Amino acid sequence: QKEVEQNSGPLSVPEGAIASLNCTYSDRGSQSFFWYRQYSGKSPELIMFIYSNGDKEDGRFTAQLNKASQYVSLLIRDSQPSDSATYLCAVNAYGGSQGNLIFGKGTKLSVKP
Amino acid sequence: SAVISQKPSRDICQRGTSLTIQCQVDSQVTMMFWYRQQPGQSLTLIATANQGSEATYESGFVIDKFPISRPNLTFSTLTVSNMSPEDSSIYLCSVRAGGADTEAFFGQGTRLTVV
Repeated sequence: QKEVEQNSGPLSVPEGAIASLNCTYSDRGSQSFFWYRQYSGKSPELIMFIYSNGDKEDGRFTAQLNKASQYVSLLIRDSQPSDSATYLCAVNAYGGSQGNLIFGKGTKLSVKP
Repeated sequence: SAVISQKPSRDICQRGTSLTIQCQVDSQVTMMFWYRQQPGQSLTLIATANQGSEATYESGFVIDKFPISRPNLTFSTLTVSNMSPEDSSIYLCSVRAGGADTEAFFGQGTRLTVV
């Protein structure tokens, strides 16, 4: 059973702080990793994706991947109240015939003004 | 990117009835999926909609309960049959245009309440 684990939170950080979101996955063969943001009542939208070990930066967001530890994280710098949402970690279903993503349960982030 | 139109956006249905959800994409896509998101939970894959052939269902989901059609590369439907209150959930259509290194796009979702 391929699994993606996240702390459900809620994670509360003050405005301007760094929010750190973590995710582990069970399938060592997984190749691609995605972070989605989901506002309440809305559908998920892609924040970042990462394939290679190390860091990938995009504006205030940095994704970090460590395949040896089967660990992927998302850092949000200078957190804003508008970042308050649920963040979903998703992993491509390696070996799956249909290319679907497997999602974690999500971490709810609250950024306090 | 892909723009997905999913409808209806919400519905309240009587138990024992069926609801068909439509998903229309603005471009041809290789992969199309149907997910369910129960309150406070993450997304669970129901099935992969295959163009021109029967859908591929995940464990715990069966064709009699969730029949899926995909007549072409831009359109799919999911039917929730013989509904019960346990089917109350958000149903999401998702597409991927390519392989494992492409993002998944989502429709707006259908919020279903069964009474």
